[in-house]
Amino acid sequence: KNQVEQSPQSLIILEGKNCTLQCNYTVSPFSNLRWYKQDTGRGPVSLTIMTFSENTKSNGRYTATLDADTKQSSLHITASQLSDSASYICVVNGPGNQGGKLIFGQGTELSVKP
Amino acid sequence: DAGITQSPRHKVTETGTPVTLRCHQTENHRYMYWYRQDPGHGLRLIHYSYGVKDTDKGEVSDGYSVSRSKTEDFLLTLESATSSQTSVYFCAISATPPGQGNTIYFGEGSWLTVV
Repeated sequence: KNQVEQSPQSLIILEGKNCTLQCNYTVSPFSNLRWYKQDTGRGPVSLTIMTFSENTKSNGRYTATLDADTKQSSLHITASQLSDSASYICVVNGPGNQGGKLIFGQGTELSVKP
Repeated sequence: DAGITQSPRHKVTETGTPVTLRCHQTENHRYMYWYRQDPGHGLRLIHYSYGVKDTDKGEVSDGYSVSRSKTEDFLLTLESATSSQTSVYFCAISATPPGQGNTIYFGEGSWLTVV
């Protein structure tokens, strides 16, 4: 079954600290992996998109890595800010009609405390 | 931000009534999607459209229908609302199929409560 599992489910860190969120997937075949940030009460916003051949992609203080062999991805947040408090969602594009189907993880809820 | 407008943003309706949610985009993107988001689940695809009048079912399509009569509008209809359809609904758009790796943009969501 094609699934995307994220860990931890929730995380609390202090402002200025770094953190790493994990994503494991069983989707096969897959063409790309995305990370989204979703603020409370808002829609998801794209952070990074990586194809199966890419190992890393950065967007400011956000750096995503991908190991297609082990089917794992991580999102590293550097020097966290209060505004980083949000849910972070890992999304994998798997097989499906019309160019594939997005399979969403349940998200990691990050809380950054002052 | 991508030009996506969802309406209504909040709605309370009674069981058994029909409800239509609208997604309007100003990006001229070909692909449009309706998702629902519920606690304990990732976003789940209800229906999607790959062109005007071209639609297909997603994984949780029962009880929902869609229409796309022009590029900019994608309507989601709950034919007879049930309490299990209480959820947050997100519209998304993309210029290309998801497999091509371009950004998929999400709207701000429509909160629907069925009582």
